[in-house]
Amino acid sequence: GAGVSQSPSNKVTEKGKDVELRCDPISGHTALYWYRQSLGQGLEFLIYFQGNSAPDKSGLPSDRFSAERTGGSVSTLTIQRTQQEDSAVYLCASSLAGRGTQYFGPGTRLTVL
Amino acid sequence: DQQVKQNSPSLSVQEGRISILNCDYTNSMFDYFLWYKKYPAEGPTFLISISSIKDKNEDGRFTVFLNKSAKHLSLHIVPSQPGDSAVYFCAAATQTSYDKVIFGPGTSLSVIP
Repeated sequence: GAGVSQSPSNKVTEKGKDVELRCDPISGHTALYWYRQSLGQGLEFLIYFQGNSAPDKSGLPSDRFSAERTGGSVSTLTIQRTQQEDSAVYLCASSLAGRGTQYFGPGTRLTVL
Repeated sequence: DQQVKQNSPSLSVQEGRISILNCDYTNSMFDYFLWYKKYPAEGPTFLISISSIKDKNEDGRFTVFLNKSAKHLSLHIVPSQPGDSAVYFCAAATQTSYDKVIFGPGTSLSVIP
């Protein structure tokens, strides 16, 4: 079956612009996660959705970052007024509720010039 | 404060030999542990997991050992193959919050032919 998909695969933007990153989880997975991986760093947790609600937003680095999920499926991560330090690979993962195994998408590589 | 630590950023091993990747954790509430493997330009993929009721779990060439008293786990790959060259992430979760998985920073494994 289809895995987790993310779009775009690459995004180059200018400092100060807004960007939207999309994640399509595996069908039937109620849990959805966003992470980012900066160059040479590990996975940094950003936000977690259970259904459409986000019980844990603790990882969002600033109020420029927001995320939503609609219909218990697609999620969008929005970064407003992008900064150069936002450059990273943004990874989305989904899982069945109550299971720890997450399935990751290929990521979106964001470059802020 | 890192709850999941992988103190070796990189490891090189000769093909055919054993690779041992180590992971330490600080939160004694963690009771479910996972290893993920990541190739460049791809999302992490689940490799193997272990519950705290066990001290060993084996899957083919991959074995994970858990030492709860030391809050330490390790991943053994025997025999190592060049295709195993990747970044390996250790991750941990609690029984009450399986969906919140904490990742370590990763160890880059190079298997030399």
